Amino acid sequence: GAGVSQSPSNKVTEKGKDVELRCDPISGHTALYWYRQSLGQGLEFLIYFQGNSAPDKSGLPSDRFSAERTGGSVSTLTIQRTQQEDSAVYLCASSLGLAGGPQNIQYFGAGTRLSVL
Amino acid sequence: AQSVSQHNHHVILSEAASLELGCNYSYGGTVNLFWYVQYPGQHLQLLLKYFSGDPLVKGIKGFEAEFIKSKFSFNLRKPSVQWSDTAEYFCAADTGRRALTFGSGTRLQVQP
Repeated sequence: GAGVSQSPSNKVTEKGKDVELRCDPISGHTALYWYRQSLGQGLEFLIYFQGNSAPDKSGLPSDRFSAERTGGSVSTLTIQRTQQEDSAVYLCASSLGLAGGPQNIQYFGAGTRLSVL
Repeated sequence: AQSVSQHNHHVILSEAASLELGCNYSYGGTVNLFWYVQYPGQHLQLLLKYFSGDPLVKGIKGFEAEFIKSKFSFNLRKPSVQWSDTAEYFCAADTGRRALTFGSGTRLQVQP
């Protein structure tokens, strides 16, 4: 597609429910990233995919968070048993390839605003 | 661990005023630096980037930034701001770790 697409744009859920957030990266981008933006905070890295594998999951805040990527394209971030502190904007970005060089310009989607009641 | 600091959290300027937003990073190795902008209701967009070469980089909409290695800084500047520059600005660093390390952002409000 023309840009990074995320769905849903907004999600309201009750505490304890599971949610799935979807990211469709720019066509041809092999790297995909998930970040979280909480109110008044910068962007917090969650997980990075190169192709379908996730070499860096170090940012996932707890084992309630997981993500997968299939076919080297679409990725899903799943939050189980949501808590109020999970409320944030979840951003997805994609880039052409490896870090440390011009190919790592990351392009961001519009995000999913998650509200846990 | 590497970090990025933006010391100005909220800046209010009048139109035509000059802008400088501070960004400092903590990392001793090679680093690529970025400024992203988020206009109200819109997604993050790349404003400018530094990979190597000339430490003064120019971006879109008249913005520029200067990489000063000795000061670990990458400050954003614009000689004359416009009301349409009202947005949140994020500095970010790529230390080869793949993920970007972001600062906490600076909210710029330009008054007409």
